[in-house]
Amino acid sequence: AQKVTQAQTEISVVEKEDVTLDCVYETRDTTYYLFWYKQPPSGELVFLIRRNSFDEQNEISGRYSWNFQKSTSSFNFTITASQVVDSAVYFCALSEANNQGGKLIFGQGTELSVKP
Amino acid sequence: GAVVSQHPSWVICKSGTSVKIECRSLDFQATTMFWYRQFPKQSLMLMATSNEGSKATYEQGVEKDKFLINHASLTLSTLTVTSAHPEDSSFYICSARDNGFWNYEQYFGPGTRLTVT
Repeated sequence: AQKVTQAQTEISVVEKEDVTLDCVYETRDTTYYLFWYKQPPSGELVFLIRRNSFDEQNEISGRYSWNFQKSTSSFNFTITASQVVDSAVYFCALSEANNQGGKLIFGQGTELSVKP
Repeated sequence: GAVVSQHPSWVICKSGTSVKIECRSLDFQATTMFWYRQFPKQSLMLMATSNEGSKATYEQGVEKDKFLINHASLTLSTLTVTSAHPEDSSFYICSARDNGFWNYEQYFGPGTRLTVT
C-alpha cells in the first residue's frame, strides 16, 4: 500500500531560523516519484521539487534543500534562514510509476508559521 | 511553463442545485486529469482520475453519480457536483498530466472554492 506521512502538523519558527519538514513514505514499487508542494493561504499549489526513486542525490535550490534517503524511506525538506513569506502549508506527495497515470498520494501536510 | 486553469475560482450555490467546475490545460494536451478535494485544514484527497474519451475512475467512497466527470477533449475536463449539499462545501483542485512527458509531469489548477448554503 502507498502512504505518505508528515508527522509534524504545525511548526512555528522565528525568522532566520532553519527548519526541517519531515516526510516518510511507503510503497512497494521500485519506481516512484516524490514531490514537495507549497500551499499558501490563496490555496494554489506551488510545485517545489520532483525526485525519482533512482536519484538519491540531495538537492539545493537557494534556501531550500531536500534530503532523500531510500534506506529510511524519507524525503525531508529544509528551509534555511526562514522568512515570513515561507509561511504556508507544505505537502509531500508520492506517485507510483505503475498506478493509473501517476496519481498523487499526499501526506497530511505541515503548516509552517514563520514569525518576524 | 504549463498552465492549468479552473473556472469558476469560487462559487456559492443553494442546497439541491448542481454546480459545474471546468479544468482546462491551456498550452498542452492532457489525456489524463485528476480531481482532488480538500476540506479546511486537511490534505488533498484524490476523488477521481479523468481520462479523455472514457469513463472516469473513481476512488473508493466517492459517489460517481453525485460527482459527474466528463473529459470530452484533450484540454478540458469538467466536474459536476449534482444536488449539492452543505457537506460538499470544499476546495476542489484539478491537475493535468502533460502527454508530452513520460515522467508523470502534472500541473495543478488554482482551485475552486465551493460553498453550498
